[in-house]
Amino acid sequence: GAGVSQSPSNKVTEKGKDVELRCDPISGHTALYWYRQSLGQGLEFLIYFQGNSAPDKSGLPSDRFSAERTGGSVSTLTIQRTQQEDSAVYLCASSPTRLAGGPSYEQYFGPGTRLTVT
Amino acid sequence: GIQVEQSPPDLILQEGANSTLRCNFSDSVNNLQWFHQNPWGQLINLFYIPSGTKQNGRLSATTVATERYSLLYISSSQTTDSGVYFCAVKDGYGQNFVFGPGTRLSVLP
Repeated sequence: GAGVSQSPSNKVTEKGKDVELRCDPISGHTALYWYRQSLGQGLEFLIYFQGNSAPDKSGLPSDRFSAERTGGSVSTLTIQRTQQEDSAVYLCASSPTRLAGGPSYEQYFGPGTRLTVT
Repeated sequence: GIQVEQSPPDLILQEGANSTLRCNFSDSVNNLQWFHQNPWGQLINLFYIPSGTKQNGRLSATTVATERYSLLYISSSQTTDSGVYFCAVKDGYGQNFVFGPGTRLSVLP
């Protein structure tokens, strides 16, 4: 079946503009994660959605970053008033339903959106 | 929070050689995954292995949860194995995954 998709694949924006990045998870996956990867670096957790529960926003670096997930499926990551340090690849991952009290399941990643702020 | 270390940070091999990559973590985990990030940036699942041993072709992995480490073995390496290998863990308390810094592998023809 189809994997995780993200759009756009590349985005160039001017400093101070707002951007929206989209993630379509694998159908039926209830968990969705956003990460950021700066050039040559590891992955930095941003936000986690699980079903209809309140999201874990503990990784968002500032209040300029926000995310929503509509209908438990598609997610949008919004960065307001972009700064040059926001330039990075933004990666989305989804994983299947986690059984109550059971182990977490494996994540599947999308191809990412490369954001360049000029 | 949980800390993840990977070693070595960089590894250069001749095609056909074998290698072992290591992931150490600071606390008990209920989820551990190995990923390969190819030169185009795509993260590819290799193993979901919170404990035990798994094999998939030339790759195998072992996690010793009680001693807080995991190993990824690559045998008969090929140039297409080049890229960065990450391990990622989640403990029983947090909701987010913590990634290690990665091992950058270069396989030379």
